[in-house]
Order: sequence, then C-alpha cells, then structure tokens
Amino acid sequence: QVTLKESGPVLVKPTETLTLTCTVSGFSFSNAKMGVSWIRQPPGKALEWLGNIFSNDEKLYSTFLKSRLTISKDTSKSQVVLTMTNMDPVDTATYYCARIVMVQGIIIYVFDIWGQGTMVTVSS
Amino acid sequence: IVMTQSPATLSVSPGDRATLSCRASQSVSSNLAWYQQKPGQAPRLLIYGASTRATGFPARFSASGSGTEFTLTISSLQSEDFALYYCQQYNDWPLTFGGGTKVEIE
Repeated sequence: QVTLKESGPVLVKPTETLTLTCTVSGFSFSNAKMGVSWIRQPPGKALEWLGNIFSNDEKLYSTFLKSRLTISKDTSKSQVVLTMTNMDPVDTATYYCARIVMVQGIIIYVFDIWGQGTMVTVSS
Repeated sequence: IVMTQSPATLSVSPGDRATLSCRASQSVSSNLAWYQQKPGQAPRLLIYGASTRATGFPARFSASGSGTEFTLTISSLQSEDFALYYCQQYNDWPLTFGGGTKVEIE
C-alpha cells in the first residue's frame, strides 16, 4: 500500500525559506517510474499545483512560482523535498504531496494518492 | 488555463440529483479530472479522462464532456456525498484547478 506523509514546520516567518518533506512508503523510487507533485490549498480556497518530480529526476514547476521553488528527492530515504524561498503571508496554506497516476506506463497528470497535508502559517 | 466551476454552492436534498459544471478557458480535450474533498481531508480522485470513474466510487457518480464544457452528475445523493468537488485540467501546463463547488444539504 502506497502512502505519502508530509512533514515540516508549522510556522515560518516572512522572507524565510520553507522546507517540507514528503515521505513515501510502499513504493521505491529506484525500482520503477513514479511521480510526486506538491499541491497547496490556502484556507477556504482552491487547490494550486506547485510542481512535479519523477523518479528519473525530471522536474516541472508552476510558472507563477518557478523562481521560488525547488523540488528534489532522496531516493535512499524515499523522500521528496519542497523548498520555497521568500515566504509571504499569502503562502499560508495546507501543503500536500500526491502521487501522479500512471496507467500502463502512461503518465496521467492527476493525483490518486495524497498525503494528509501539512498546514503552514507564514507570520512574524 | 482558467477553470471555472458553477455553481459555487449547490443545495440538494438527499436522494436528489446533483449536476456540477466545469468550464475551461480553452480546450482541454478530455484531460479533465474531478476530485471530492471532505472537511479536514485531502482531496480524493473521483474522475479522470473526463468520464472514467476512479477506484472506490459508486456508479451514481458519472461525468461527461470534452473541450471546454464538463459535467459531474451524482444521480441520487447520499449523505456521504455532501462535500466539495474540484475539477482539474491536465491538458497543458501549469496544471490548474477550478474554484470548487460545495454540495450541501438543502
């Protein structure tokens, strides 16, 4: 059974850098192709896709946040890491990591397994 | 691509039919997904490919559409169906979600 779990700080100050970790269980990045996305949801608002990373280290970022985002992975730990610089109160949100669907080896950019989410508040 | 969902809130009685709409600002072909989200929970994939139901959802959920106009129908609402529903396009980058439709008990 594949599970994902986000972890990281609950509170960050404006201008600081946020680092969140997504730990994947039940699947090995090194054995097969797998993709993970980061998605966020401000309180009471809609979902926003941030970026993807695949097991072959292929990455793609949201155009709007590309300059502030870095997504990386540690295959040995089965972890995907999101780094977002220059945090602002508008970045206050629940941050999710989610698995990208693959059907018979074809990538379908939808998300079938989600972490529980981690709420991050940006405030001084 | 901007995804617009309507209505923002849909008040329905249990057992009634609910019809949710999602409109794309440009064609997304059939690269459209729907998610269900309940309070305090992560979204759950409901539909992909505009009409393919994901694992675990009953047949009372159906979806249709292509291009710019999409519909999610819940044929006979059960208590567990009252939730937020989001559409998402994956035809072009960046991936984008609609603003959501809240299905509430009338």
